[in-house]
This record gives sequence, structure tokens and C-alpha cells, in this order.
Amino acid sequence: EDQVTQSPEALRLQEGESSSLNCSYTVSGLRGLFWYRQDPGKGPEFLFTLYSAGEEKEKERLKATLTKKESFLHITAPKPEDSATYLCAVQENYGGSQGNLIFGKGTKLSVKP
Amino acid sequence: EPEVTQTPSHQVTQMGQEVILRCVPISNHLYFYWYRQILGQKVEFLVSFYNNEISEKSEIFDDQFSVERPDGSNFTLKIRSTKLEDSAMYFCASTQKPRAQPQHFGDGTRLSIL
Repeated sequence: EDQVTQSPEALRLQEGESSSLNCSYTVSGLRGLFWYRQDPGKGPEFLFTLYSAGEEKEKERLKATLTKKESFLHITAPKPEDSATYLCAVQENYGGSQGNLIFGKGTKLSVKP
Repeated sequence: EPEVTQTPSHQVTQMGQEVILRCVPISNHLYFYWYRQILGQKVEFLVSFYNNEISEKSEIFDDQFSVERPDGSNFTLKIRSTKLEDSAMYFCASTQKPRAQPQHFGDGTRLSIL
């Protein structure tokens, strides 16, 4: 069973059409939840870290929120340059952990002009 | 802005050969990681490295794999005898503090085993 599940797998939006991406997780103790953006042929690019339920972070058209079971990445009035795969990753909170990330499969976002 | 750099960007190797993938982490970072991403699948953790030793590894990281920090700047992943299923993107990442800072990733090495 996957510990990190992202939905939808793919999302097509028109420019300016706001939407949300979901990341649900089942780890027993959460140290942190991370959102990354990945462009084709590139490595994950860091966007946000969330540590506790109720926390929110914003950057330009993106806003990330966290509850005890899931996180949302809200995209407001997206532009074509927001097209990418968005990855969610969690760090478990256990002794001895050096912070390895557990990734979801990602949501591939396409924004049409 | 400082970044993690990886070389080569693409490596093609015959099955059974040894490969070494190289990474230069961000200079003031102390914790280093390797991940892999098989085409169409999720990014998977391989190994973490701190203070010149492995601190954690996944089930994927078997005896075929090894990591090394041969000098003050490079961090390498060696696969001793490659298999077809080792074909993947390999990402290096680094961070200053694993519990408080995000990991920053390089653009990866695409490893193709023939």
C-alpha cells in the first residue's frame, strides 16, 4: 500500500481556471510534507515545506495547506508556464531517520492558453 | 543560487558493467542522498549519507550499490554489475539539516543499460 497518494494523476486546465491537487498520506508520524515541481528531464524543484496541521504557505499562484491526513496544492489563475508534474513527499518522524523522502506518483498539470 | 550538479547527464552501459554516477552537492550542505526514478514511476529513496558513512538505506540499495565521498566536494554512487532493471533516472540531493531544511535535487543522470 502506498504511503503517499496523489490525485488526480493528470489535470488539464485552461489558463486562469483555478483548481487543487491532493496529496494524502498514511505515515504514522509526520515530520514534514514537501511539495516539489518537476519539469520533463529535470530534477524536483523545491516549492514548500509544511510541518503541522493548519499550516499554509504561498508562493505566487500556489498555496499549500496541510491537515492531519492530507495536503492540498491550490493553483489560482494558472498560466501555461505552471505546466509541470507536481510531487508530494513526506518525511516520517522516527528515531534515527536522516530525512529520507517518501514520494507520491505526482500530478501532471497541463495549462492551455 | 547554489545548486546540486550531476554528471554525466546520460550514461549508456552494457549489462554487467560498473558505472559511477557523480554529484557535487551544495557546498555548505552536510547530508546527502541518492534517489532513483524508473520511467513512469515515482521517485524512490536509495541511501542517505552523513559524516562519511551511510546513515540509512532502502531495500533497493543492495550489495551492488555503494556510495562514497572521495573528496570535499564530490559524492558518488557506484553500481558494480549493472542489470537491465537498473535503467532509471538517478537523482542526488543534499540538505544542511534534514529535520528543518528541504532537500535540493540535481537534474539527474539518465542511466540506460543495454
